[in-house]
Amino acid sequence: GDSVTQMEGPVTLSEEAFLTINCTYTATGYPSLFWYVQYPGEGLQLLLKATKADDKGSNKGFEATYRKETTSFHLEKGSVQVSDSAVYFCALSAPRIQGAQKLVFGQGTRLTINP
Amino acid sequence: DSGVTQTPKHLITATGQRVTLRCSPRSGDLSVYWYQQSLDQGLQFLIQYYNGEERAKGNILERFSAQQFPDLHSELNLSSLELGDSALYFCASSVTPGDGYTFGSGTRLTVV
Repeated sequence: GDSVTQMEGPVTLSEEAFLTINCTYTATGYPSLFWYVQYPGEGLQLLLKATKADDKGSNKGFEATYRKETTSFHLEKGSVQVSDSAVYFCALSAPRIQGAQKLVFGQGTRLTINP
Repeated sequence: DSGVTQTPKHLITATGQRVTLRCSPRSGDLSVYWYQQSLDQGLQFLIQYYNGEERAKGNILERFSAQQFPDLHSELNLSSLELGDSALYFCASSVTPGDGYTFGSGTRLTVV
């Protein structure tokens, strides 16, 4: 079945460091790919998305490129801030079958940024 | 405020009891999804409703059930509660799933 694998956390970086969180997926067909962020005590928020191969999603300085050849959607940010500390989830949405569709999430990566 | 409203925010109940979690989707969204988030299992998809009809089912226990009403709000019913049911329960809604979901802030259920 469809699945998403993220790099294991926790990840701890210093402010202004470069961030990469790896994400690979297994899916039939051509899924849409997403990154969600969860701040402490809150629900998940959509960070960025890409719906087809070679698309780049971007938001708040974060970027991820849909790589079909490597089935990957790695999250990157050039200079992280303390406020980026959160849990990040990679997810895919499989093609719709008879109106049924769900997001499949990776296990989440906890990111902590130190001043 | 994401536009998806979940109540209550916190719930503490005893084993064997039954609870109902409520979700109001974002205005215009026809699909509602329920997820369970626990420390050891991550985010687990439970069930999807679209315009009142069940459309997809995940790892939802037989003790759990859900429905979506004509006004599109949804309820998740959890019965014969066990300690292991303690978790965060999230509701999400969407217009089309390919655009991603909007999540509510969740209901934290503690079974004692």
